[in-house]
Amino acid sequence: QVQLQESGPGLVKPSETLSLTCAVSGYSISSGYYWGWIRQPPGKGLEWIGSIYHSGITYYNPSLKSRVTILVGTSKNQFSLKLSSVTAADTAVYYCARDWGGSTRPGYFDYWGQGTLVTVSS
Amino acid sequence: EIVLTQSPGTLSLSPGERATLSCRASQSVSSNYLAWYQQKPGQAPRLLIYGASSRATGIPDRFSGSGSGTDFTLTISRLEPEDFAVYYCQQYGYSPGTFGQGTKLEIK
Repeated sequence: QVQLQESGPGLVKPSETLSLTCAVSGYSISSGYYWGWIRQPPGKGLEWIGSIYHSGITYYNPSLKSRVTILVGTSKNQFSLKLSSVTAADTAVYYCARDWGGSTRPGYFDYWGQGTLVTVSS
Repeated sequence: EIVLTQSPGTLSLSPGERATLSCRASQSVSSNYLAWYQQKPGQAPRLLIYGASSRATGIPDRFSGSGSGTDFTLTISRLEPEDFAVYYCQQYGYSPGTFGQGTKLEIK
C-alpha cells in the first residue's frame, strides 16, 4: 500500500520560504511516476502546484512557477516543496500525491498524503 | 488554462436516491482526461474516476462517470450515508491541470 506523509512547519512568516517534505512508503520513487503537490486554502478548492519525476524533471503551475521549487531525494524516498516570498494568500492545506501524468501533460492523483496546514502570518 | 464549472453548488438528497453531478469545461478536454474526487471534512481527496469513466481501485460500482468534450457527469446510483461529501472534477489533458470548485452533496 502506497502511503505519503507531509511534514514541515505549520507557521511561516510573510516574505519567507515555505518548506515541506513528503515521505513515501510502500513504493520506491525511483521506480517511476511523477509526484506532486496540491494545495487547498481553508474552505476553498484545490490547486495543483507542481510535480516531479524521480530523474528530477519538473513541471510547475505557471501561476506559481516563479516561486516554486520541487526536489526529489531518492536516497530517502522523499520529495520536497519550497515556495518563496509567501503571503497570507499562500495559507492552505498542502497535500502531496502520486501523479499519473507524464512529461508533456499533467495527470490525476491516486494516492494522497493526509495534508498539512501551513499558515502564513507574522 | 481550462476552467471547470461544477453544478449544482450544493445538492440535497436522501439516502437511496440517485445523484447527478455536472462538470463543464471552458474548452474540450483532450482525450477525456477528466477525473472525479470525493473529499470528506478533514480528509484528503479520494480518487473515484479517471479517464472520464474508469473507476479507480476499490471504488463501488454505484459510482459512474460519463461524458466527453466539455460536458461530464458523475452519477451515484443509490446514495449511501457515507457518500455525503464534496466532489471535485479535474482535467488533466492540458497543463496546468485544473480542478472545479466542487459540489457539496448534503443529506436532505
